[in-house]
Amino acid sequence: DTAVSQTPKYLVTQMGNDKSIKCEQNLGHDTMYWYKQDSKKFLKIMFSYNNKELIINETVPNRFSPKSPDKAHLNLHINSLELGDSAVYFCASSKTGSNEKLFFGSGTQLSVL
Amino acid sequence: AQSVTQLGSHVSVSEGALVLLRCNYSSSVPPYLFWYVQYPNQGLQLLLKYTTGATLVKGINGFEAEFKKSETSFHLTKPSAHMSDAAEYFCAVSEDTGFQKLVFGTGTRLLVSP
Repeated sequence: DTAVSQTPKYLVTQMGNDKSIKCEQNLGHDTMYWYKQDSKKFLKIMFSYNNKELIINETVPNRFSPKSPDKAHLNLHINSLELGDSAVYFCASSKTGSNEKLFFGSGTQLSVL
Repeated sequence: AQSVTQLGSHVSVSEGALVLLRCNYSSSVPPYLFWYVQYPNQGLQLLLKYTTGATLVKGINGFEAEFKKSETSFHLTKPSAHMSDAAEYFCAVSEDTGFQKLVFGTGTRLLVSP
């Protein structure tokens, strides 16, 4: 049983397209996150949802729109993809709390051509 | 604003040698500190964390780290490296806001040779 699963694992697409990445967790956590890891391995938080409500929204272009239909799911939709969006996107979840352990998915490698 | 600096993008050790991965942080409030490990093509896994209390923290796989407030450091050590320790290691810091908002360092690739 995968704790945090995200699909697809690989995503190759053309500039200007719209794409979505799905994430689901079966840990019963109430907080979920999206992180972006660039080609230099730098990892930065994008969004966080707690019980379906947006609580962290870093300076991410509004082409990125997270959606949380329930607290076990946090999907990421990206409009008008750009070359600079190429990265590995990680979904994560945790219990609520600043010192709680994050559980990460295995990542989605997005390549924009 | 918080930040994390990891000295050395790559560290090479021989199997059985001491592992030392350096992390310095900047935070205006008492920080929570974490070390995560990333194996190839996988997500990050928590190695250990410091929140409050004992400054020497023990984690999984024989790793430990010591919080030194005077040096603003949280270096990761392991007495004897194993081939399976080869991975990318990330130090991270967060503040007590009620929610996880980790700020990660740029990572250190640990290479272990036979």
